[in-house]
Amino acid sequence: ETGVTQSPTHLIKTRGQQVTLRCSSQSGHNTVSWYQQALGQGPQFIFQYYREEENGRGNFPPRFSGLQFPNYSSELNVNALELDDSALYLCASSLALAGPYNEQFFGPGTRLTVL
Amino acid sequence: AQTVTQSQPEMSVQEAETVTLSCTYDTSESDYYLFWYKQPPSRQMILVIRQEAYKQQNATENRFSVNFQKAAKSFSLKISDSQLGDAAMYFCAYRSYTSGTYKYIFGTGTRLKVLA
Repeated sequence: ETGVTQSPTHLIKTRGQQVTLRCSSQSGHNTVSWYQQALGQGPQFIFQYYREEENGRGNFPPRFSGLQFPNYSSELNVNALELDDSALYLCASSLALAGPYNEQFFGPGTRLTVL
Repeated sequence: AQTVTQSQPEMSVQEAETVTLSCTYDTSESDYYLFWYKQPPSRQMILVIRQEAYKQQNATENRFSVNFQKAAKSFSLKISDSQLGDAAMYFCAYRSYTSGTYKYIFGTGTRLKVLA
């Protein structure tokens, strides 16, 4: 069974650019959540996708957007990058949307640096 | 809105000793889940232990156990027989349910150092 994978591992962009981060869910998982973890902080919820639909969103502006594909892999897109977007971006997948099987399995993250 | 507070930025423990990490949370919900996650330098977040709020019995996973005090909204993690591999950031997390969405709210973390 393959765990959650993310690509790329590291990324450097300049302010104003756009970036796409990718996540492959653990096999059989239909729910994906994305988190932003600034240095020295806990992860902050960005949004969640369930069966290709956005299912909930945290306090992030619309320039943070996402997609989930039929194979349940997912993308996080960030437009008009700002310096404060520099962070570790974590993807987490779960077997189901609710109940005890909502346990989230995290990927290793993508470190984004905005210059 | 729910909040999670970890008041200990850093803790140290001698190898083979016991350490307790603190977590408090605030919520108006009656049914929820609480979690402790470990994040080693490799960055991958790993689930350590989970507690369902409706269960009065404290969860235990090998050397890891929790002290769940629902009325006090406290959820501490006890690590017994500490090992060098336990050194990591530990995050307390609350799973909230809002408008049909489950999401996790994390504390700011506690860095655990294990001394040989």
